[in-house]
This record gives sequence, C-alpha cells and structure tokens, in this order.
Amino acid sequence: NAGVTQTPKFQVLKTGQSMTLQCAQDMNHNSMYWYRQDPGMGLRLIYYSASEGTTDKGEVPNGYNVSRLNKREFSLRLESAAPSQTSVYFCASSDTGWKQFFGPGTRLTVL
Amino acid sequence: RKEVEQDPGPFNVPEGATVAFNCTYSNSASQSFFWYRQDCRKEPKLLMSLYSSGNEDGRFTAQLNRASQYISLLIRDSKLSDSATYLCVVSYGGATNKLIFGTGTLLAVQP
Repeated sequence: NAGVTQTPKFQVLKTGQSMTLQCAQDMNHNSMYWYRQDPGMGLRLIYYSASEGTTDKGEVPNGYNVSRLNKREFSLRLESAAPSQTSVYFCASSDTGWKQFFGPGTRLTVL
Repeated sequence: RKEVEQDPGPFNVPEGATVAFNCTYSNSASQSFFWYRQDCRKEPKLLMSLYSSGNEDGRFTAQLNRASQYISLLIRDSKLSDSATYLCVVSYGGATNKLIFGTGTLLAVQP
C-alpha cells in the first residue's frame, strides 16, 4: 500500500500561471482533505470531500478549486497563482474522520 | 484568539529528560482531541488520540481537561528520535471530519 501520494513534490510558478496538484489514496477512504501549511500558521483546511461526489469549503478556499474525481483521487487547482499561495500543500484521507493520513506534501513557490 | 494555541518552543532537553507540552482550545463544543507528530519537512502523523480524560502509550501520556479546555502531552525518558514538532489537534465543533491544528511545539532532544 502506498497510502496517500501527491504529485508533484516541488513546483515553481510565476504569478498568474495555473496548475493542478494531484492526490490519490489506496486505503478506500471516504473522506479526503487539502491543507496548506505556512510558518506560524499551522495547517489550514482549504477544501474537503466527505465522500465521493461531494466537496465543501474549508477555512481558506479563496483562489482554489477542487475535484473529487473518484473515491481515490482528489485534485486541487490554482487557476491564477499568486505569491500568497506559496506554501506547503498536504493532502489527507480518512475513514473515520479523526485519524487522517497525510501525503508527503507539495512545496509550491509562486514568484 | 486562535482556536488552538500552543507554546511554539523550541524545547531543548537532554536525553532521558521528561518534557511536557500544553495546549488550549477555544471551542467548548469540540469532542475529539489528538496529538500529531511532524518531523522536519515531513507530513504529520497521528501520535495519540483523546476521548476521555487521558491516554497513555508507553512513554507518552496525554491529558484532557474539558472544564479548562486544556490538553497536555508528557514525554518521559526522551529519546533523540523524539525530536520533532508536536501538533495539538481538535475536532471542529461536534463534527469529527474536520480538524483544527495548532501551530505546533518544537522539541529538540540533545545527546
């Protein structure tokens, strides 16, 4: 079992460029989450999907969109990247909700 | 006021020492409480969960005081491998599928 995988691991974008962060889990979990982690801010929830076919906004959704492609995959899209979106992005999945399994993260820099 | 507050540290302790971390949360409706561990440049991983007043797992003891909205983590006989950031995590209101993360407390165990 790979657990939760994320691609890419690193990315550098210019302001205004778009990109999609990919996440997949092989644990048959219903719920999936996208977080961003910034120094001094802790992990903040961007979007989550409680089950296949549903998505909801988290604490900091502005500037992002998500797609729950199927039970395994949950992608995060930045339509027009801004320097404020420079961060480490973590995807997580959960069956019960309380124990979340995290992917290795994507380090994104927006110039 | 932040929803989950932790002392950021760093806590520098010698091997074998006992160290305690504290955490306070603001939402009295929170039902579930956790400690996650995050190694440098890695993803968070669940260390312990708390549903009643306390939980013990080997050298690690977590305590919950609902009246004071206070959580603690005690590590006995510290090992070099305990060096990491410890994240205090609280469920969002009554729901268990959304978590609020503290900013973390950095522990450095010295030889």
